Amino acid sequence: AQKITQTQPGMFVQEKEAVTLDCTYDTSDQSYGLFWYKQPSSGEMIFLIYQGSYDEQNATEGRYSLNFQKARKSANLVISASQLGDSAMYFCAMRVLSGTYKYIFGTGTRLKVLA
Amino acid sequence: EAQVTQNPRYLITVTGKKLTVTCSQNMNHEYMSWYRQDPGLGLRQIYYSMNVEVTDKGDVPEGYKVSRKEKRNFPLILESPSPNQTSLYFCASSPPGLGVYEQYFGPGTRLTVT
Repeated sequence: AQKITQTQPGMFVQEKEAVTLDCTYDTSDQSYGLFWYKQPSSGEMIFLIYQGSYDEQNATEGRYSLNFQKARKSANLVISASQLGDSAMYFCAMRVLSGTYKYIFGTGTRLKVLA
Repeated sequence: EAQVTQNPRYLITVTGKKLTVTCSQNMNHEYMSWYRQDPGLGLRQIYYSMNVEVTDKGDVPEGYKVSRKEKRNFPLILESPSPNQTSLYFCASSPPGLGVYEQYFGPGTRLTVT
């Protein structure tokens, strides 16, 4: 069975500093995709970044990068130069490409950026 | 504007009173899904649909029904709601295909069952 683990329920970071949100996953499938979503206090879910299991390069989207370590089964989100607007809940998610459209989400990490 | 809409946004109901939460997308996506979000548990998938008339269970389908009669709509039905179904519900859609695409989420429906 697939599983996503986010071990940091909450984190603080100083404005303008970088922060890493941890995500480990478990699957026996070789083909899968990993996602990060942001949920601000307003409640909507915002897609941030995606990494495919066969992608050799780590994904980057602006200030977001995904530190993908396949052997360790980790997909950590790195936010550089944190901003106050980055304060939110962050979810890691996975979908395997074995014909099913099941998505598995982690329990989330609440990030607070301090001024 | 490309979007996923859900109605109602907020609902307070009583145990046993059947309700439907509607979900509609205007992006011609084939894949749609329902999730519930509970504190400390993240998002859990209830049901998903890969196309019209094709639906399958997620991780927490008990107490819910879905139907997919049109590509754009994917309603969630609670035939006899119970207090443990009090939650924040999200509908999502994404394109089909062999690639993996991000999901587009609706704004959420906050349901309280008393």
